[in-house]
Amino acid sequence: AQTVTQSQPEMSVQEAETVTLSCTYDTSESDYYLFWYKQPPSRQMILVIRQEAYKQQNATENRFSVNFQKAAKSFSLKISDSQLGDAAMYFCAYRPPNAGKSTFGDGTTLTVKP
Amino acid sequence: DAGVIQSPRHEVTEMGQEVTLRCKPISGHNSLFWYRQTMMRGLELLIYFNNNVPIDDSGMPEDRFSAKMPNASFSTLKIQPSEPRDSAVYFCASQKRSTGRNEKLFFGSGTQLSVL
Repeated sequence: AQTVTQSQPEMSVQEAETVTLSCTYDTSESDYYLFWYKQPPSRQMILVIRQEAYKQQNATENRFSVNFQKAAKSFSLKISDSQLGDAAMYFCAYRPPNAGKSTFGDGTTLTVKP
Repeated sequence: DAGVIQSPRHEVTEMGQEVTLRCKPISGHNSLFWYRQTMMRGLELLIYFNNNVPIDDSGMPEDRFSAKMPNASFSTLKIQPSEPRDSAVYFCASQKRSTGRNEKLFFGSGTQLSVL
């Protein structure tokens, strides 16, 4: 079974600084999909960014970017110019091809200090 | 689009009572997922449906848990009888299965269940 590991239960960053959240996963598949979701205190889960494994180029969404290392099975999220509204729990998720379900990591709680 | 709608938002009940959680997926989405979130176990997939058919219920913890999707716009997760260890936030999520295959999950706001 696929597993997703987020080794940092908590992280903190100063406002306007950059922070990187780590995620590793285990799979024998060559094609799959990776996601980062954000869960603010409101509890709503929101997609931050996604990456297709067959694409070598790292995904970018405004201040959010990923460092996808397929050989190392690593998928870290970089948040640049951190804002107070970025404070949330962040979940890394893996989805295999031809399957609907996603497997989530345990989450990383990000605190942004003013 | 109203998004995925879950009800109730909060549920407090006594041990032994039946609990029914409800979900309305986004119109046009043909995959529906029930997740449970706890501090100890994180986000766990309980069951998911494709086109109203249960595909994988291996995450359902016990026979006390059951889920149905009678039509494309409604699903229920029932716990009977409920126990204190069932206390958690239960999320429903929906997704459109397309040829792109990278469709994201849309989550509801969750139901905070407390079993006393």
